[in-house]
Amino acid sequence: NAGVMQNPRHLVRRRGQEARLRCSPMKGHSHVYWYRQLPEEGLKFMVYLQKENIIDESGMPKERFSAEFPKEGPSILRIQQVVRGDSAAYFCASSNTGIDQPQHFGDGTRLSIL
Amino acid sequence: EDQVTQSPEALRLQEGESSSLNCSYTVSGLRGLFWYRQDPGKGPEFLFTLYSAGEEKEKERLKATLTKKESFLHITAPKPEDSATYLCAADNFNKFYFGSGTKLNVKP
Repeated sequence: NAGVMQNPRHLVRRRGQEARLRCSPMKGHSHVYWYRQLPEEGLKFMVYLQKENIIDESGMPKERFSAEFPKEGPSILRIQQVVRGDSAAYFCASSNTGIDQPQHFGDGTRLSIL
Repeated sequence: EDQVTQSPEALRLQEGESSSLNCSYTVSGLRGLFWYRQDPGKGPEFLFTLYSAGEEKEKERLKATLTKKESFLHITAPKPEDSATYLCAADNFNKFYFGSGTKLNVKP
């Protein structure tokens, strides 16, 4: 499967724990985007990364959230000290040359906070 | 403020009953307008990109069109397998702005 791979598909955490969401982009893609989706709502942009660089993090909360896309390995979205309001579906997308190209999405990670 | 609005929120059609979905956008400079299909529990699947007013793209029973203020997704003689949520997104050279989607239900 050469598509965007996200894992885990479902993640349950208790309040105060850390959540780590992983995304492997499509083969040949070096641009990664993270989105958050609440039920019955559209996708909200969080962060745009290229290998080893954060290009735009204007949609990401300043506290508790961080993202990286290392030279080797998947992109990681990290949420520290999770709260109930972090419960959502988190989608990763990738493109091959940047923001003007179609973004191809993974099937998301559904995060539930107990 | 850059934003994208889709209407209707939900649409129920009989199989074979053609209709259109609307995507209105206000962005500070549109580079591209994208349509996606999203099935329950899945990520959005790319359908079309439109770059300039007057442009049209077709794929099977779907046709997307673009004006300076809105885009339409026309569905001709839909089938039950076309049931999904259809999302549009506007690219303003910086990021994608997604609408909330139109949930389409096609009854046999």
